[in-house]
Amino acid sequence: QKEVEQDPGPLSVPEGAIVSLNCTYSNSAFQYFMWYRQYSRKGPELLMYTYSSGNKEDGRFTAQVDKSSKYISLFIRDSQPSDSATYLCAMKAPQGGSEKLVFGKGMKLTVNP
Amino acid sequence: EAQVTQNPRYLITVTGKKLTVTCSQNMNHEYMSWYRQDPGLGLRQIYYSMNVEVTDKGDVPEGYKVSRKEKRNFPLILESPSPNQTSLYFCASTPSQTTDTQYFGPGTRLTVL
Repeated sequence: QKEVEQDPGPLSVPEGAIVSLNCTYSNSAFQYFMWYRQYSRKGPELLMYTYSSGNKEDGRFTAQVDKSSKYISLFIRDSQPSDSATYLCAMKAPQGGSEKLVFGKGMKLTVNP
Repeated sequence: EAQVTQNPRYLITVTGKKLTVTCSQNMNHEYMSWYRQDPGLGLRQIYYSMNVEVTDKGDVPEGYKVSRKEKRNFPLILESPSPNQTSLYFCASTPSQTTDTQYFGPGTRLTVL
């Protein structure tokens, strides 16, 4: 079993839809959780960062962490065509630096106008 | 502007011809990493560096070399490229060991014929 599993894509939704992106993990030591967004022909950029269970909101984006179920989600409300990108989850345990960061494979999202 | 730069952005080469992909960051970050991104496999770490003259292997180091002689630069060297090294390569930097946010470069698309 891989340490981090991300829902396979691609996902295509109409503009205005609520989007749910998910990752599961097997390593209970993971305490820090991130979502990166990667536009076509660009490097990933950090979108959300959280280290506690529960919800963290930033504008139209909500990151949700359920450590008991080893499950994290990213919700996008009122999705826009500009949200079309690949979304990667990432996580790590407290020990070590960024070399310990484990990424999901990414899901490509297309929001159609 | 704070950024990570990579050169070249695109490269087509032939098997066995040594090449170097340069990476430079202007944010005085300690940590730097190289990743490759392949369809269905996601982001995989090749090498990382915790500071000048300190480097270590990531998950897929075979066929690659790195050096960190200056804090800002972290070149990736392919001594004898092979077709299975055809991929999209990203350099990333992180402020310190205690920081998890990675700042990615724009990527280098390498094709080895």
